[in-house]
Amino acid sequence: EVQLVESGGGLVQPGGSLRLSCAASGFTLSDHYMDWVRQAPGKGLEWVGRSRNKAYSYTTEYAASVKGRYSVSRDDSKNSLYLQMNSLKTEDTAVYYCARSNPGSAEDYWGQGTLVTVSS
Amino acid sequence: DIQLTQSPSFLSASVGDRVTITCRASQGISSSLAWYQQKPGEAPKLLIYAASTLQSGVPSRFSGSGSGTEFTLTISSLQPEDFATYYCQQFSDYPLTFGGGTKVEI
Repeated sequence: EVQLVESGGGLVQPGGSLRLSCAASGFTLSDHYMDWVRQAPGKGLEWVGRSRNKAYSYTTEYAASVKGRYSVSRDDSKNSLYLQMNSLKTEDTAVYYCARSNPGSAEDYWGQGTLVTVSS
Repeated sequence: DIQLTQSPSFLSASVGDRVTITCRASQGISSSLAWYQQKPGEAPKLLIYAASTLQSGVPSRFSGSGSGTEFTLTISSLQPEDFATYYCQQFSDYPLTFGGGTKVEI
């Protein structure tokens, strides 16, 4: 059974940093693209970033709103995906989901999400 | 960026109704479109990918159609568990983008 479990969310001050983790199980992480998607309170979904699979050398893509501040990485040996978030802003407050994807396809499995609150 | 416009934003319906939600893309995206269902407090769930392919385990009352710039999600007979918010997403180009959502209410 495919499972994705996020962790690492919490309260952080503006300008601070936070690292989210996503523990994957039930599939071979290196075979899949992995995405981060966020949802601000009461708002819609926003794609944040992607780590392509091993076949595509784990290259990354980012939304303009986070480019240069966020970094997606993974450790396939630990079956884990990460999101390093720096220079956090109040508008980064959201539930962050990790999701599994495939080349040219949609996100077929999602974690339950972890809440990040950026506030002083 | 490719903008996705969903309509309507809110939809009031009854059990048994046929429901159609539209998603329009600001430029052609071939069939690179997915539909998701999200219930309060839950993660999104993939319903349809490649515009019209039903995800495994999703009831057949859900269907998708369209290509290019106009797409539809149809629920043939609305069930109580279908009251939720629905989002379209394009995966034709980066950044991946979502529509604004359609809330289906009783």
